[in-house]
Amino acid sequence: DIQMTQSPSSVSASVGDRVTITCRASQGVDTWLAWYQQRPGRPLQLLIYAASTLQTGVPSRFSGSGSGTHFTLTISSLQPEDFATYYCQQAGDYPYTFGQGTRLEIK
Amino acid sequence: EVQLVESGGGLVQPGGSLRLSCAASGFTFSTRWMSWVRQAPGKGLEWVVNMKYDGSDIGYVDSVRGRFTVSRDNARNSLYLQMNSLRVEDTAVYYCVRMGSLDLRRTGDQWGLGTLVTVTS
Repeated sequence: DIQMTQSPSSVSASVGDRVTITCRASQGVDTWLAWYQQRPGRPLQLLIYAASTLQTGVPSRFSGSGSGTHFTLTISSLQPEDFATYYCQQAGDYPYTFGQGTRLEIK
Repeated sequence: EVQLVESGGGLVQPGGSLRLSCAASGFTFSTRWMSWVRQAPGKGLEWVVNMKYDGSDIGYVDSVRGRFTVSRDNARNSLYLQMNSLRVEDTAVYYCVRMGSLDLRRTGDQWGLGTLVTVTS
């Protein structure tokens, strides 16, 4: 199975800050990489697919980049509703696998 | 509006069985791959199974293969997960996930709120 390693596992930041989360795959997945946001009491939300394509309805402050084994999710200016847990997911090979998650907390 | 509503979770003893259901609405269910993803309490996400829209292609993660069986009823817009020989490590919230189409394929573009399965003696 392809292992996905996210870093950091948690980060503290303030409203307005820029935050970058990294995801590394144990083998190349081309651009078969998605990012999700999980907030308590809400369904998981797809943010980015195909490594860099913004899902419809997701604010433009979210962006993704990368290919192969190295990917990043950047939030350009944190808003209060962005404090949540973020997961990357590879779909380059089955079984699809997730990173362990990055918890974004308010400083 | 797309809705995915899971049901059927509960408390079960090791070795027992449970059947989860997912009622889908707001989209053409019969044209979409569907999946189950689980999340153990306080842990990350694990993809359990994928199923093609017509049932002709199914993929299980190794940890459940031979114990879990996914099925669907396109006439009832429903997805199911029959879980047998349950183990303590199967304890998790189970999410019903709609897979995207075209450029979003292999991606979960809609998720339910989940149903909790607890395996304990």
